[in-house]
Amino acid sequence: AQSVTQPDIHITVSEGASLELRCNYSYGATPYLFWYVQSPGQGLQLLLKYFSGDTLVQGIKGFEAEFKRSQSSFNLRKPSVHWSDAAEYFCAVGASGANNLFFGTGTRLTVIP
Amino acid sequence: DAGVTQSPTHLIKTRGQQVTLRCSPISGHKSVSWYQQVLGQGPQFIFQYYEKEERGRGNFPDRFSARQFPNYSSELNVNALLLGDSALYLCASSWGDSPNYGYTFGSGTRLTVV
Repeated sequence: AQSVTQPDIHITVSEGASLELRCNYSYGATPYLFWYVQSPGQGLQLLLKYFSGDTLVQGIKGFEAEFKRSQSSFNLRKPSVHWSDAAEYFCAVGASGANNLFFGTGTRLTVIP
Repeated sequence: DAGVTQSPTHLIKTRGQQVTLRCSPISGHKSVSWYQQVLGQGPQFIFQYYEKEERGRGNFPDRFSARQFPNYSSELNVNALLLGDSALYLCASSWGDSPNYGYTFGSGTRLTVV
């Protein structure tokens, strides 16, 4: 069965600093991997996804993520954080033929001026 | 083009009551999925419907039921509400029958059971 671990519950970064949010997954085959962002009181917005091919994927809002099979990781990065990036970030994993995604517990990002 | 719309946005119910939540997917999307997000947790899968058929069900009791209409909108029903049902209920639509294409989520319905 699939599972997702986001080891950081809360991260605080200064505006303009770089960001890396960690995600580890458990799945026997090649997973489908996603990062979603949730602003307060809102639904989730898809930032990026990985199916196959190039292990470095680019997403919206300047985010990127790298799939590392050897580490079962799919970490999200951004070179320079903006105050508007403050939100909750969820990593999710899917499987071929599956009808749902498994989400991690989320990482709350605070951006300080 | 309208996104995924959910109604109502908030509601308060008493234990033992029944509730119906509604979702309209993005035009052209034939799949609707429901997720429950308890405060401080990630979304948990409840149901998926595609072309008006139930395609998947998560680990939720039979008090939870859903259906999809010919226009692809969907309703989630919860009977005999418990305090633990208090959560944000999210509807997600996708054009195909797989969530692996990526969901578009609605803003959710915040249910409080007192």
